[in-house]
Amino acid sequence: QVQLVQSGAEVKPPGASVNVSCKAFGYTFSSYAVHWVRQAPGQRLEWMGWIHVGDGGKKYSENFRGRVTITRDTSANTAYMELNSLTSEDTAVYYCARDSQRQVRSDNSLDPWGQGTLVTVSS
Amino acid sequence: SYELTQSPSVSVSPGQTASITCSGDKLGNKYASWYQQKPGQSPILVIYQDNKRPSGIPERFSGSNSGNTATLTISGTQAIDEADYYCQAWDITTVVFGGGTKLTVL
Repeated sequence: QVQLVQSGAEVKPPGASVNVSCKAFGYTFSSYAVHWVRQAPGQRLEWMGWIHVGDGGKKYSENFRGRVTITRDTSANTAYMELNSLTSEDTAVYYCARDSQRQVRSDNSLDPWGQGTLVTVSS
Repeated sequence: SYELTQSPSVSVSPGQTASITCSGDKLGNKYASWYQQKPGQSPILVIYQDNKRPSGIPERFSGSNSGNTATLTISGTQAIDEADYYCQAWDITTVVFGGGTKLTVL
């Protein structure tokens, strides 16, 4: 069974960084891309970026202006998302999701999703 | 940047057909996916490649995409279908989500 399990909730002060992990089970981790998506309270889904675990190729949303870094550790079957220079507007649930096909293509979907990690930015 | 627009809310009576639309420039030339999200839960994929259902998704969920509009149709809507629904497409190598539609089953 394909499953993504994320790290636990975090509380960070403004200006700090947060690192969220996403451990994959039930499939060949290096064969697919992993996406990161966030959702502020009561708001829409916002795509942050993806990494292809196999070749390390990446793409980030322009909305994060270099504040986000996505990495992976193939030996640990785990992807990571680091977000820097946190503000209160970064308070959100952060999700990882697997790409639906082995190659990143424009007919792909995100499936399945992790359980989400709540990041609260507060002084 | 590419944008997808959804109506904020749709209401439907149990047993009736719900239609949720997603609009974007020449969206019919792209592939649309749809996700269902219930309160406090992660999104799940209900339609991919415009009109395909993943394993385990009921047949009452269907999709279409033409021109500037993709549509998610739920036939014989049930109370358990009450949720937020998001469309998604690709803009070259980036992913775009619509703003979401809250489906209320009255």
